[in-house]
Amino acid sequence: DAGVTQSPTHLIKTRGQQVTLRCSPKSGHDTVSWYQQALGQGPQFIFQYYEEEERQRGNFPDRFSGHQFPNYSSELNVNALLLGDSALYLCASSGTWGESTEAFFGQGTRLTVV
Amino acid sequence: GNSVTQMEGPVTLSEEAFLTINCTYTATGYPSLFWYVQYPGEGLQLLLKATKADDKGSNKGFEATYRKETTSFHLEKGSVQVSDSAVYFCALSGLGSNYKLTFGKGTLLTVNP
Repeated sequence: DAGVTQSPTHLIKTRGQQVTLRCSPKSGHDTVSWYQQALGQGPQFIFQYYEEEERQRGNFPDRFSGHQFPNYSSELNVNALLLGDSALYLCASSGTWGESTEAFFGQGTRLTVV
Repeated sequence: GNSVTQMEGPVTLSEEAFLTINCTYTATGYPSLFWYVQYPGEGLQLLLKATKADDKGSNKGFEATYRKETTSFHLEKGSVQVSDSAVYFCALSGLGSNYKLTFGKGTLLTVNP
């Protein structure tokens, strides 16, 4: 089992550009959550997808959007990038029943906005 | 809303020393509590969890007890190793939150030989 995989691992973008980050959940998981981790801080919840719909959203602007595909993989899109969007973006997957409800995290995508 | 406050770091210990990292929380209802660990350059790994009051989570020599009366979930280990050097995050998942996690700011632990 490959666990949660994220791509790319590192990314450098210019202010004002748009970026798409990708996440493949652990086998058997149907729920994907995205977190932003600024340097020296704890992860902050962005949003969660289940059954291809956004189920919950944290306190992030509409520039942050996402999508979940029928195979449960997910994308995080950020438009009009700001310097403050530089962070480690973490994807977590979880299941619906019993022990599968534990969240497993990927290694993250390090986004640098210059 | 939910929040987690954990001990400010960094914490530097010698090998075989006793470790405590304090964590307190604010939440409505009966949240589940977690400790995650992040090694350099890696994502988060679940270290241990507790889902109800007085539960003790344990793993790899680490322990934490869910104390509802003090709204705390302090992490302890009797004898740390160099390989325990990492950032430790306390987190909670509130009732009905569908597994949204609220994290503390993290505590950097460095263990010297």
